[in-house]
Parts: sequence; C-alpha cells; structure tokens
Amino acid sequence: GDSVTQMEGPVTLSEEAFLTINCTYTATGYPSLFWYVQYPGEGLQLLLKATKADDKGSNKGFEATYRKETTSFHLEKGSVQVSDSAVYFCALRMDSSYKLIFGSGTRLLVRP
Amino acid sequence: NAGVTQTPKFRVLKTGQSMTLLCAQDMNHEYMYWYRQDPGMGLRLIHYSVGEGTTAKGEVPDGYNVSRLKKQNFLLGLESAAPSQTSVYFCASRATSGRGYEQYFGPGTRLTVT
Repeated sequence: GDSVTQMEGPVTLSEEAFLTINCTYTATGYPSLFWYVQYPGEGLQLLLKATKADDKGSNKGFEATYRKETTSFHLEKGSVQVSDSAVYFCALRMDSSYKLIFGSGTRLLVRP
Repeated sequence: NAGVTQTPKFRVLKTGQSMTLLCAQDMNHEYMYWYRQDPGMGLRLIHYSVGEGTTAKGEVPDGYNVSRLKKQNFLLGLESAAPSQTSVYFCASRATSGRGYEQYFGPGTRLTVT
C-alpha cells in the first residue's frame, strides 16, 4: 500500500545550521505531498505542499521539491532558529483517496 | 473563525468507563477525521466522514464509534475505555476532494486510561 518514510529523529542542530529532513514515499500513482509541523502542545499545521512533479513548496524559509524520479520530498531550511524546534511530518494523499498518509514524524531540536 | 476546536483538552478515565470527544469546525468543511497520535507512530486514522450523516472506518477503528449528525460536528465515542486507548486524539477537517487541499487540525485531546 501507499506509505511515507521519514528519517529517524531527533535531529539536533545549532541555531543558523542547515536543515535537511528526508522523506520518501511509495505510491501507486501521483500523490499530493505535504509537510506538516507540530509545535509543542499544539495540533498540526500545514507548512508547505506540492501537487505535481518538480513543484517546489515553500513557506517560512522552508522548502521541499517533489521529485518523482526518486520518490522524495525532502524538507530543507538554510538557517534554522530555536523557534523551529518542533515535530515535522511528511504526508501524502492520492487523488482517489480522502485520507492523508503520514510518516512517523521527525523531532527537530535547535539549540541557541 | 475558530477553525477546528476539540472538547475536552484533557481527560483521565478508568478502564471500562465511556466518554465522547467533540470536534467542531466553523469552515463549512465536508470532510472530517479523527486521528490518534502515539509516540513513534505518527498519526493513525481512526474514522472519517465525507459529509453529514456519513462515517467510515480508518486504519484503527476498533473500540471507537463516531457520529456526524451535523455538518459542523464530528463525535468520537469510547464505549468501554482500555489502557491501550491512552493517546492524544486529533480531529481534522478539509474542504473538498480537490488536489492539494489541506487538512486543518484541532489542538488535540490528551486522554489517559488507567
């Protein structure tokens, strides 16, 4: 079945470091891809999305490019801040489905 | 707009007790969802609804029931709580079936079953 695999966390970085969180997917067609962020004690918020191959989603300095050839949607940010500390979830949804399929989440901790 | 709200925020139950979690959305969304979040397992879909009066099972429906009597509300019931149902529960809603439409999440309900 369709699935999402994320890198294991936690990821610990110093402020202003470069961030990459890997996400790969398995799907029988061409899904829409999403990154959600969950700050401590809160629900999930959409961070960015891409709906077709080679699309780049971006928001708040974060970027991810939909790579069909490698079935990946890696999240990147050039310079992280302490306020970026959160859990990040990669997710996909097929056009024919009502449901989001989530990865297991990656916790990011940014130290001052 | 309040978005998606959940009641209550926290609850402690004894094994065998029952309770209902309420989700409400004011965005006139058709689709609503209940997830549970457990450490290291991401979010797993319990039940969902594609419109008023409809419900369907997700990945982990056992031990839960749902109802969608009004478009804006989606209730999750536990008839006889078990310690395995200790979790954080999230409700979400989405507007339509269009490609790329996002789900909006509530703040969560932390449930502990002792």
